[in-house]
Amino acid sequence: NAGVTQTPKFRVLKTGQSMTLLCAQDMNHEYMYWYRQDPGMGLRLIHYSVGEGTTAKGEVPDGYNVSRLKKQNFLLGLESAAPSQTSVYFCASSYPGTGDAFFGQGTRLTVV
Amino acid sequence: AQSVAQPEDQVNVAEGNPLTVKCTYSVSGNPYLFWYVQYPNRGLQFLLKYITGDNLVKGSYGFEAEFNKSQTSFHLKKPSALVSDSALYFCAVRPYTGGFKTIFGAGTRLFVKA
Repeated sequence: NAGVTQTPKFRVLKTGQSMTLLCAQDMNHEYMYWYRQDPGMGLRLIHYSVGEGTTAKGEVPDGYNVSRLKKQNFLLGLESAAPSQTSVYFCASSYPGTGDAFFGQGTRLTVV
Repeated sequence: AQSVAQPEDQVNVAEGNPLTVKCTYSVSGNPYLFWYVQYPNRGLQFLLKYITGDNLVKGSYGFEAEFNKSQTSFHLKKPSALVSDSALYFCAVRPYTGGFKTIFGAGTRLFVKA
């Protein structure tokens, strides 16, 4: 069982470059999320989706865009990377309501 | 503002001793409460959750957590720590009316010494 798979696992970008992080889940979960993890700050929600074709902003959405064209995939885009976006990014998925979240292994992104 | 506090950056305990990782929260209404664990270079793994009912919740790997509504706390506990329990632990809260949104604490690093 794959669960939640993130691609890529590591990436180094130059300031101003763009990239897309891919998240795929095989559990038929309705909800999907993108978080960033920074030291001493826990996880902060960037964007989320409650179903195919729908997305919404979380706590720290600026500089990111997302799309959910298929139920199993949730893409996170950085249009013009900035050093402040250096972080570890986690994708997660869950059932609605009380469902606990399943996390991917993370993508370590460095913007230089 | 809704928040989750984990007051200790690190908890040190000897193997075989009981451990407690603290969590308090400030959320309106009756929230759902979670604990997750993160091992190095891995994503977060679900440990346990409190939805309703018994205040003592049992979870994976021998962990349990006690919900205290009056103190708005949800401390993680284990009667006998193992070296393999050493990891980063996150408390999380999902407001009952918040639907999707889960608020995470900053994390507490647990170090179990042999």
